[in-house]
Amino acid sequence: NAGVMQNPRHLVRRRGQEARLRCSPMKGHSHVYWYRQLPEEGLKFMVYLQKENIIDESGMPKERFSAEFPKEGPSILRIQQVVRGDSAAYFCASSPLEQHTGELFFGEGSRLTVL
Amino acid sequence: DAKTTQPNSMESNEEEPVHLPCNHSTISGTDYIHWYRQLPSQGPEYVIHGLTSNVNNRMASLAIAEDRKSSTLILHRATLRDAAVYYCIRGGRYNQGGKLIFGQGTELSVKP
Repeated sequence: NAGVMQNPRHLVRRRGQEARLRCSPMKGHSHVYWYRQLPEEGLKFMVYLQKENIIDESGMPKERFSAEFPKEGPSILRIQQVVRGDSAAYFCASSPLEQHTGELFFGEGSRLTVL
Repeated sequence: DAKTTQPNSMESNEEEPVHLPCNHSTISGTDYIHWYRQLPSQGPEYVIHGLTSNVNNRMASLAIAEDRKSSTLILHRATLRDAAVYYCIRGGRYNQGGKLIFGQGTELSVKP
């Protein structure tokens, strides 16, 4: 059973471009969470999704950021018109249940660098 | 707001036990206590979680105080591979909607 797969592992974008980060949860997992980790900082919750639904997006910046988890395919975190402050590691996690009741499985992250 | 308090850093010697403390004095009755760790340049890794009783698994033990206001993660024999940031997190359905809020964690260094 493959773990949580994130791609790309590394992404370089120039200011103003778009970044798309993909996350394939573990097989059988219908709950996906995105976290961001700025350099030398802790993990910050961004968004919690179930298939075709956004459950909690309280950690998402109000502009330029969006997330989806379609019925088929991976979850996508999309950042439009990137700025240097978006440079960070973005981690996706999945669970078969709401995470407070059990283990959360994280991917290795996608590291975005904005030039 | 992580609502847990951990020391910023701790040191341990290889093959010795490590006790990582965590205070969560405002924990509610439905909150679980979770521990994750993050090795350098890697994603977080689940360690253990519990509600009221002490828990053991292949990685560690979790000792939860009777009043649940604090807990201790116990690594029985530290190895160099255990050097990581350890996060103590409280989470529950009725607290923050079930998502886990990470604090700053404890950076554990292990000396050979």
